Amino acid sequence: AQTVTQSQPEMSVQEAETVTLSCTYDTSESNYYLFWYKQPPSRQMILVIRQEAYKQQNATENRFSVNFQKAAKSFSLKISDSQLGDTAMYFCAFVPLSGGYQKVTFGIGTKLQVIP
Amino acid sequence: GAGVSQTPSNKVTEKGKYVELRCDPISGHTALYWYRQSLGQGPEFLIYFQGTGAADDSGLPNDRFFAVRPEGSVSTLKIQRTERGDSAVYLCASSLGGSGLAEAFFGQGTRLTVV
Repeated sequence: AQTVTQSQPEMSVQEAETVTLSCTYDTSESNYYLFWYKQPPSRQMILVIRQEAYKQQNATENRFSVNFQKAAKSFSLKISDSQLGDTAMYFCAFVPLSGGYQKVTFGIGTKLQVIP
Repeated sequence: GAGVSQTPSNKVTEKGKYVELRCDPISGHTALYWYRQSLGQGPEFLIYFQGTGAADDSGLPNDRFFAVRPEGSVSTLKIQRTERGDSAVYLCASSLGGSGLAEAFFGQGTRLTVV
């Protein structure tokens, strides 16, 4: 069984500053995907960024980047130039390639508040 | 449609009643997923459809929960004899193929409250 741990229940950051959200996971799988999802008050889960475990290069999407440390089973999200629209819950998620892509394990989330 | 649509947005029901939650996926998406998100938690997998059939229903908590997708598009999650512990946001997602979360789009969920 997989576990995903997000140890920061709440974070805040000043607008235009940089913030890093932490995520660690535990698995015996060797091939998997990792994701960060954003959930604003509208409740819709929005994919922020994904990382394939076999890729050593850290994924980036505009202002969002990850620090993927496979040996340490760590997958942190860095948000640069924070914007008010980044205020939301952020969930880290793990999906093993074995057993089907639907077997996703989510962390309990980090609530991010961007302060004007 | 343009996105995944879930109805109703909110549902309040009495303990012991039967409820149906509807998910209308993106047109052409063959894969459909249901997740349940309890307060203060991340979503938990319930069931996965590929076309009309349930390819994996291992996440359904008990036999009071059932889901159908008779024509391979709209899906209905059915909960019998609701309990207060069923209160949660029920999220639906769809994807073009079976790549799951890698390519899935989520709806805005149905918030179910059992009183």
